Amino acid sequence: NAGVMQNPRHLVRRRGQEARLRCSPMKGHSHVYWYRQLPEEGLKFMVYLQKENIIDESGMPKERFSAEFPKEGPSILRIQQVVRGDSAAYFCASSPLLGTGDQETQYFGPGTRLLVL
Amino acid sequence: GESVGLHLPTLSVQEGDNSIINCAYSNSASDYFIWYKQESGKGPQFIIDIRSNMDKRQGQRVTVLLNKTVKHLSLQIAATQPGDSAVYFCAENNYGQNFVFGPGTRLSVLP
Repeated sequence: NAGVMQNPRHLVRRRGQEARLRCSPMKGHSHVYWYRQLPEEGLKFMVYLQKENIIDESGMPKERFSAEFPKEGPSILRIQQVVRGDSAAYFCASSPLLGTGDQETQYFGPGTRLLVL
Repeated sequence: GESVGLHLPTLSVQEGDNSIINCAYSNSASDYFIWYKQESGKGPQFIIDIRSNMDKRQGQRVTVLLNKTVKHLSLQIAATQPGDSAVYFCAENNYGQNFVFGPGTRLSVLP
């Protein structure tokens, strides 16, 4: 059972370009979370998605950032018109379908390291 | 010993000693907690979890203790090995909300 997959692992963009980060959850998982991590810091929640639905995007900047998790294919985190401050590691996590009244562990992918020149 | 670096607090232990990593969580309503290990250049790796109806849970070489009175979580690693060197994060969850991660502690194992 493959784990959470993310690609690309490293992405270099110039200011003003677009960055697309992809995440394929673990088999059987229908919940995807995106986090951002700066060097020497903890993970900051960005967005939580289920198939075709955004459940919570409270941690995602209102402008330039968007996320989707289509019925078919991976989840995409899209950053338009990147700026140097967007340079960070972006991690995706997935969890199974939530049962009633219970949380589920999140399993993380290897991350995409975005560098904006 | 424990020291505070520029960003991450660091805990240095001798190989073979026991390690205790502490975490203060913020939300008294949080009822599910996870410890993650993150090695350099990798994603966080699940170590152990605990629910609020428990105060202790043991895994292989690891024990998590939960003190809800003072909102404190700890991770104990027995017989620390060089492979345990990493950054350790605690994460808290209040049912229906998202996980909130602590700032992390760097564990450095000395030969």
